[in-house]
Amino acid sequence: GESVGLHLPTLSVQEGDNSIINCAYSNSASDYFIWYKQESGKGPQFIIDIRSNMDKRQGQRVTVLLNKTVKHLSLQIAATQPGDSAVYFCAENRAQAGGYQKVTFGTGTKLQVIP
Amino acid sequence: EADIYQTPRYLVIGTGKKITLECSQTMGHDKMYWYQQDPGMELHLIHYSYGVNSTEKGDLSSESTVSRIRTEHFPLTLESARPSHTSQYLCASTRGGDTGELFFGEGSRLTVL
Repeated sequence: GESVGLHLPTLSVQEGDNSIINCAYSNSASDYFIWYKQESGKGPQFIIDIRSNMDKRQGQRVTVLLNKTVKHLSLQIAATQPGDSAVYFCAENRAQAGGYQKVTFGTGTKLQVIP
Repeated sequence: EADIYQTPRYLVIGTGKKITLECSQTMGHDKMYWYQQDPGMELHLIHYSYGVNSTEKGDLSSESTVSRIRTEHFPLTLESARPSHTSQYLCASTRGGDTGELFFGEGSRLTVL
């Protein structure tokens, strides 16, 4: 079945260092892969997405890499800041009939930034 | 900043009570969703809607029901709450397209005693 899973449940990073959060997926039919950030007590917030036919996409301080050969997705955060502390979820999206977007979430990785 | 609101944020009630979790968005999005999330766990889709008068069940079976009488409003109801319903309920909406970018509310944390 479809699944999106993360390698590590918790990641501790020194402030200013780069963070890399990894994710494995099993559904090759996904249209997009997405990263969400969820801060304590809040709903998830969209960070960045990547279309399934791309290998890399960059945003502001974030880069997402997609390796379709090994079905692996990663989120790189440059110069990690205390405000980056949150749980990060990878998700996959597959368009369904009627325009419904089936977004499936994996288990999160908690990023702890050490000041 | 997403304009999607959920009330109540926190609710503690006794078993057998009827509850309604409210969700409203001011972005004019047609598609809306309800996810259930236990602490530290992934989100599971329990309901979604294509638009007014459209509701569908999601991947995770839920005893809750939803309605969509107005575009901006997508309430979730539990007729008789049980301790197993204790969880966080997240409402989301999307403008369409195929990227999977969902706008989430801040969630309603339900505790059933």
